[in-house]
Amino acid sequence: NAGVTQTPKFQVLKTGQSMTLQCAQDMNHNSMYWYRQDPGMGLRLIYYSASEGTTDKGEVPNGYNVSRLNKREFSLRLESAAPSQTSVYFCASSDLSGGGDEQFFGPGTRLTVL
Amino acid sequence: QKEVEQNSGPLSVPEGAIASLNCTYSDRGSQSFFWYRQYSGKSPELIMFIYSNGDKEDGRFTAQLNKASQYVSLLIRDSQPSDSATYLCAVKAGRRALTFGSGTRLQVQP
Repeated sequence: NAGVTQTPKFQVLKTGQSMTLQCAQDMNHNSMYWYRQDPGMGLRLIYYSASEGTTDKGEVPNGYNVSRLNKREFSLRLESAAPSQTSVYFCASSDLSGGGDEQFFGPGTRLTVL
Repeated sequence: QKEVEQNSGPLSVPEGAIASLNCTYSDRGSQSFFWYRQYSGKSPELIMFIYSNGDKEDGRFTAQLNKASQYVSLLIRDSQPSDSATYLCAVKAGRRALTFGSGTRLQVQP
């Protein structure tokens, strides 16, 4: 089992460029999440998908869009990147069917916007 | 007021000592509580979760929950240099997604 995988691992963009961050999980989890982590700020939720076919905004959704492509894959798109979106992005998944919410994280994407 | 608060540290303890990490939360409807460990440059990994008041032990780790005081803690016994990391507290209320604290950096001195 690979768990949660993310691509790319590193990316440098210029202001105004677009890109899509990819995430996939092989644990058959229903729920998937996108977070960003900035120094001293902890993890902040951007968007999440409680189940296939649904997406909801988190704490900091502005400037991002998401697609839950199928049960395995959840992508995050930056349409017009801004320097304020320089951050480390983590994807996570969890299985809520047991009543808990233990989330498993991918290795992260380190994004720099110049 | 932040929803989940942690002292940013660093918390420095000598090898073999007990490290005590604390977290307070503001939503009284919170039901599930999680501790994650994050090494520098790595992703968070789940250490423990606790749902009921009291203590929960797993090896060298003990999670403590006091819902009346809205307080959750993590004790690490016999601390090792390999425990040096940032520890993130996370809280879940109802159907909401997890809310994370900003983390406490722990340094275990050999």
